[in-house]
Amino acid sequence: NAGVTQTPKFQVLKTGQSMTLQCAQDMNHNSMYWYRQDPGMGLRLIYYSASEGTTDKGEVPNGYNVSRLNKREFSLRLESAAPSQTSVYFCASSVTGTRLYEQYFGPGTRLTVT
Amino acid sequence: GIQVEQSPPDLILQEGANSTLRCNFSDSVNNLQWFHQNPWGQLINLFYIPSGTKQNGRLSATTVATERYSLLYISSSQTTDSGVYFCAVERKAQKLVFGQGTRLTINP
Repeated sequence: NAGVTQTPKFQVLKTGQSMTLQCAQDMNHNSMYWYRQDPGMGLRLIYYSASEGTTDKGEVPNGYNVSRLNKREFSLRLESAAPSQTSVYFCASSVTGTRLYEQYFGPGTRLTVT
Repeated sequence: GIQVEQSPPDLILQEGANSTLRCNFSDSVNNLQWFHQNPWGQLINLFYIPSGTKQNGRLSATTVATERYSLLYISSSQTTDSGVYFCAVERKAQKLVFGQGTRLTINP
């Protein structure tokens, strides 16, 4: 049981380049999330998917797009990277029903945009 | 939106000491979690504790939902306890809001 996995672990992009961060979970969770963590700060929600086929904006969605490919996989795309998107990106998953239950996090992707 | 405040922001202790970390939140919540972010950046679930008290080894947590705060207790600290401790709450719409964290340093 791998839990939540993310690829790649590290990435360096030039301004204007695009890339997709991949996330997969094997816990049969219905909800998945993308967060970013800037130095010295807590995590902020970018997008989330409450169930397969649905996605919603979080606190900081500008400059990002997401795809819930199936129940297991949730990808985050940067269409035109900017230095302000330099951050550590975390994917998470949880069971949700009428409330949110315990969230589990992947190891993170460290992205630098030059 | 809901505000989450953690205190203290930084805490430096000697190995073997006890500590209490606090999380205040500005509105009623459905869910509260404590996480430990280790020096390698991994977020580790400590407690899922919307109310009441839980214990796991040297760590315990108490949430008093009616008074809008939660406490994390660490007893007999070890150097491996170093890192950042985050409190995160869910108010509605099944989304977690994180505090800024408490950076704990345990010196040998």
